Amino acid sequence: DADVTQTPRNRITKTGKRIMLECSQTKGHDRMYWYRQDPGLGLRLIYYSFDVKDINKGEISDGYSVSRQAQAKFSLSLESAIPNQTALYFCATTEGPGNEQFFGPGTRLTVL
Amino acid sequence: DQQVKQNSPSLSVQEGRISILNCDYTNSMFDYFLWYKKYPAEGPTFLISISSIKDKNEDGRFTVFLNKSAKHLSLHIVPSQPGDSAVYFCAASAWDDKIIFGKGTRLHILP
Repeated sequence: DADVTQTPRNRITKTGKRIMLECSQTKGHDRMYWYRQDPGLGLRLIYYSFDVKDINKGEISDGYSVSRQAQAKFSLSLESAIPNQTALYFCATTEGPGNEQFFGPGTRLTVL
Repeated sequence: DQQVKQNSPSLSVQEGRISILNCDYTNSMFDYFLWYKKYPAEGPTFLISISSIKDKNEDGRFTVFLNKSAKHLSLHIVPSQPGDSAVYFCAASAWDDKIIFGKGTRLHILP
């Protein structure tokens, strides 16, 4: 079984709709992250969480919100989706500073 | 303001030769540097890392070199193999463990 799972894997939605992307990990790590990948822009950090009570904004948090329901679960929400939020979204987890991040397989989101 | 820069969007290397991927950074507070590899339709996977107190780390065919004075690191792959064709991301983290990625370099290994 994969260490980090993301659901859904693909989603097409319309402008203005609310959408939630979910992430679960079985690594037992406290730290979890959400990134988006756009062509030519690499991976950009949206939000990160060091434990269930600690949520931090990343480089591009506007238009997004997150919820850390448990150590193993970290959800990303788009309250009112817009077309420029069309991207690949990745969740990741790590044990701590300097340690590798384990990534999920990604969610391809298209906003029409 | 891009803190981690990979200035080559793509690189083509003959199979069996050395691949050298470069990365520059601007934040002197970064203390760990990591390289990730990404295939299409998959999440990035960790390759190798280096602490800022070292200047070299080696793992099989992969070696990362760090030049702190130049704020530059490079990933060497030797010999290059067809399965190495992928996008490579350089990443850096500081005390706050906010990991910042570069834009990536697409490596093509030519037969």
